[in-house]
Amino acid sequence: AQTVTQSQPEMSVQEAETVTLSCTYDTSESDYYLFWYKQPPSRQMILVIRQEAYKQQNATENRFSVNFQKAAKSFSLKISDSQLGDAAMYFCAYVTSNTGKLIFGQGTTLQVKP
Amino acid sequence: GAVVSQHPSWVICKSGTSVKIECRSLDFQATTMFWYRQFPKQSLMLMATSNEGSKATYEQGVEKDKFLINHASLTLSTLTVTSAHPEDSSFYICSARDVGRVLNTEAFFGQGTRLTVV
Repeated sequence: AQTVTQSQPEMSVQEAETVTLSCTYDTSESDYYLFWYKQPPSRQMILVIRQEAYKQQNATENRFSVNFQKAAKSFSLKISDSQLGDAAMYFCAYVTSNTGKLIFGQGTTLQVKP
Repeated sequence: GAVVSQHPSWVICKSGTSVKIECRSLDFQATTMFWYRQFPKQSLMLMATSNEGSKATYEQGVEKDKFLINHASLTLSTLTVTSAHPEDSSFYICSARDVGRVLNTEAFFGQGTRLTVV
């Protein structure tokens, strides 16, 4: 069975600084996709960034980038120039082509200090 | 982006009654919708996969008779919590995939429903 693990329940970063959130996953599939979602206090799920497993190049979306290490099954999220609005719970998620089901990690609560 | 509307946003019901939650894709068709449950400060746990025109597929440990799912059209799935008890109090979230897009596109989430059973 596929699993996603986020080992950092809480993280804290100073405004304008950089923070990295960790995520590892376990799968025997070869065709899958990885995501980072943000859940602010409103609890609306917001897609931050996605990575296709077959792509070697790390995805980047403005201040957000990932470090995708396929062999190590690691998928960390780096947030640069952290802003107060980045404070939220962040979930790493995995989906395979054949099921379409998103499997979420435990989540990391990010606090941004002014 | 595609919009998924979930209704109601919050509901309070008495123990023993049933509650229906709706999940609608407003500007796209969704053959598959997913229902999640989330406790405070915890992850989203997949409850079931809702397939248009067929029976839902439930995850292990989820009671089919307790959580009734109906997916009667390409834009609407409903989750009915039957004979609700206080332990069913939780945050329920639906998501939908656009049939017109490739799989790696993100799932679109509803805004969630906070259920409180008293």
